[in-house]
Amino acid sequence: NAGVTQTPKFQVLKTGQSMTLQCAQDMNHEYMSWYRQDPGMGLRLIHYSVGAGITDQGEVPNGYNVSRSTTEDFPLRLLSAAPSQTSVYFCASSLAGGHSYEQYFGPGTRLTVT
Amino acid sequence: DQQVKQNSPSLSVQEGRISILNCDYTNSMFDYFLWYKKYPAEGPTFLISISSIKDKNEDGRFTVFLNKSAKHLSLHIVPSQPGDSAVYFCAAQYSSASKIIFGSGTRLSIRP
Repeated sequence: NAGVTQTPKFQVLKTGQSMTLQCAQDMNHEYMSWYRQDPGMGLRLIHYSVGAGITDQGEVPNGYNVSRSTTEDFPLRLLSAAPSQTSVYFCASSLAGGHSYEQYFGPGTRLTVT
Repeated sequence: DQQVKQNSPSLSVQEGRISILNCDYTNSMFDYFLWYKKYPAEGPTFLISISSIKDKNEDGRFTVFLNKSAKHLSLHIVPSQPGDSAVYFCAAQYSSASKIIFGSGTRLSIRP
């Protein structure tokens, strides 16, 4: 099993550009989520999905879109990049939501917006 | 307003001694608490958890203590080893929700 994979590892964007951060898991997990990590802020939930075709907003959803057309993939789209979106982005998955299911994180994507 | 707070950004402990990492929360609706460990250039990995119906959970060298009246939890690592040097995140969860709320993290350094 590859677990949770994220591409790219690093990305530099100019303000106003759009891009998609890819996330895939091969564990047949229903629950997937996106976090961003900023210094002094910990991990903040952007969007999450409890299954294919179902997504919902987290704490900081503005400026990001998601879709879940398959169980395996959960891409995060930046519509018009802003310097405030400079961060490290982590994708995570678990068998289901709730207490009993450990979340597995990908290695992260470091994004810089100039 | 941060619902989960880790007030110590960093901690340095001598190898073999006890490491104590602290975490406070403000929302009394949280009923499940977790600790994650993160190495540089890697994603966080789950370490240990505790339900609000317990006040202690132990797993090898790691023990988490929960004080609900004080809305405080702590992670004890005994004895501390060089491989424990990492950033530790405290997190909390509602009973019926999938969302996990993370603290800002504490960087633990184990010195020889």
